[in-house]
Amino acid sequence: EIVLTQSPATLSLSPGERATLSCRASQSVSSYLAWYQQKPGQAPRLLIYDASNRATGIPARFSGSGSGTDFTLTISSLEPEDFAVYYCQQRSNSITFGPGTKVDIK
Amino acid sequence: EVQLLESGGGLVQPGGSLRLSCAASGFTFSSYAMSWVRQAPGKGLEWVSAISGSGGSTYYADSVKGRFTISRDNSKNTLYLQMNSLRAEDTAVYYCAKDYVDIVATNLFDYWGQGTLVTVSS
Repeated sequence: EIVLTQSPATLSLSPGERATLSCRASQSVSSYLAWYQQKPGQAPRLLIYDASNRATGIPARFSGSGSGTDFTLTISSLEPEDFAVYYCQQRSNSITFGPGTKVDIK
Repeated sequence: EVQLLESGGGLVQPGGSLRLSCAASGFTFSSYAMSWVRQAPGKGLEWVSAISGSGGSTYYADSVKGRFTISRDNSKNTLYLQMNSLRAEDTAVYYCAKDYVDIVATNLFDYWGQGTLVTVSS
């Protein structure tokens, strides 16, 4: 099973700041890495797929990069609605999710 | 508008069974693979099972293989998850999720239901 590790566990930032979230895979997943956002009491929302492609309707402030085992989700300037938990997901070999990074308000 | 509505959750004793349903609308249901993803209270996401659009191919996480069965009725636009031999560690909110692209399963999930809570406890 491919294990995904996310860091940091919690990121405390202020609106307008840049957020950089990391996801590392235990073995190469090529570019088959996605990012989801989940707010309390809500279902997850697909943000980025195949490492760097924004899903339909996702604002340009969200961007993804990486390949192989190391990936990054960047939120260029945090909006109030961006404070949430972010999960990475690989679909290279079965499907697994990372443990999540919580972005909270500093 | 795409809508996914889960039902069938509840409290069940260890070793018991439960069947979840997910009623879909707003898209051509039979053209899309579907999955179940669960989330234990306060925990992260865990993929459980997937099924192709036709229903001819099914996939399971090792943690549920042999105990859970995914199926679909395309005439009713409904997805199911039959859960047998339930364990305490199966306690979670169960979400149904629609694949991002039609025809070919991508294992990317662009629409999710609001989830149904399954609690396994004596």
